[in-house]
Amino acid sequence: AQKITQTQPGMFVQEKEAVTLDCTYDTSDQSYGLFWYKQPSSGEMIFLIYQGSYDEQNATEGRYSLNFQKARKSANLVISASQLGDSAMYFCAMREGKPGAGSYQLTFGKGTKLSVIP
Amino acid sequence: DSGVTQTPKHLITATGQRVTLRCSPRSGDLSVYWYQQSLDQGLQFLIQYYNGEERAKGNILERFSAQQFPDLHSELNLSSLELGDSALYFCASSVLPRAGTEAFFGQGTRLTVV
Repeated sequence: AQKITQTQPGMFVQEKEAVTLDCTYDTSDQSYGLFWYKQPSSGEMIFLIYQGSYDEQNATEGRYSLNFQKARKSANLVISASQLGDSAMYFCAMREGKPGAGSYQLTFGKGTKLSVIP
Repeated sequence: DSGVTQTPKHLITATGQRVTLRCSPRSGDLSVYWYQQSLDQGLQFLIQYYNGEERAKGNILERFSAQQFPDLHSELNLSSLELGDSALYFCASSVLPRAGTEAFFGQGTRLTVV
């Protein structure tokens, strides 16, 4: 079973509008972390935002915010005031493993391709 | 620029060959991770090292191996290459593999096996 599900293969948004990219996750761990990464056409993976499972406040980083609904196991990324440079693939990822053991790995979703229309 | 350096950026090689991908982590980062991104499998975790020791293993084939050296740079060795090994290979690093520590990715090495 998929641990990270991104149900939107592709999304379009008008420039300056807000957009929400969906992500649901599945884990039985109490302690976990959720990440969003952006991958432009050039290929690099750019870290955007992080939410820990015990964080009560939704994470925000500039125009990015993470809508964390723990009971629903969802961690949606909200991009406000979209810009043309936001056109890229966006990946949701989950960190599992035992932090105290010094090991963790990221499990990625299949990604959502966001296209910003002028 | 994430501060993680991967070389080479592109690599084209023939089936059956062996290649080495190199990664220099961000200054001060002790943990290095390798990921493979292919069209059919998506992004998959391969292996993690922390301060020279292997800490976690993912879907890494037996034909693949990695190590982290005393200066903390890491190498991923891929041998007996097959067409299906063609992919983008990422290295990432973090200060510690701890909750809340994000991993910063390099630009990747695009491997093409012909």
